[in-house]
Amino acid sequence: DVKVTQSSRYLVKRTGEKVFLECVQDMDHENMFWYRQDPGLGLRLIYFSYDVKMKEKGDIPEGYSVSREKKERFSLILESASTNQTSMYLCASTDTGVAYEQYFGPGTRLTVT
Amino acid sequence: KNEVEQSPQNLTAQEGEFITINCSYSVGISALHWLQQHPGGGIVSLFMLSSGKKKHGRLIATINIQEKHSSLHITASHPRDSAVYICASANRDDKIIFGKGTRLHILP
Repeated sequence: DVKVTQSSRYLVKRTGEKVFLECVQDMDHENMFWYRQDPGLGLRLIYFSYDVKMKEKGDIPEGYSVSREKKERFSLILESASTNQTSMYLCASTDTGVAYEQYFGPGTRLTVT
Repeated sequence: KNEVEQSPQNLTAQEGEFITINCSYSVGISALHWLQQHPGGGIVSLFMLSSGKKKHGRLIATINIQEKHSSLHITASHPRDSAVYICASANRDDKIIFGKGTRLHILP
């Protein structure tokens, strides 16, 4: 049973803080993804990684960076949090490519005040 | 650029009704995903299909490649089916595009 876990379910941070969101998967998947989900906009891809130390920008990478030092762990970093980054953040992993089943973490609801 | 459109945006039905949610996309794809998201946020993959039809319990997903259209059906709907249903297309350039979701509410 694939498990994708995220470090926090709920997080409240202040404007300007550096924020780390962590995602861990236990199925040795090659690909990992970070999305944000906002009402009326659906899921949007921030960054993805297809291998250790590899990363690719998604549709909305501005204000974010990522780190993948180990295959099972993919971190999303908000260098200086802003109120427009208040959102639900979802991590996902998949074997080989997006044509394969995506496994999602439970999500982190981040509020920036 | 691929666009993924879902309809309806919101759907309220009585328990036991047959439910259909539609998804259309604009370019050729390698696979179409149907996902379910319950209140609280967790997303579960229901189906991944590239042709024909798949069935799992009371859920059925179909895809028509020529018409670039997929449907998700729920038979004998139940209040526990209340959720947001999301379709997503996996494009041939290995990008995934999500629809905005259909919010389904089944009344007891």
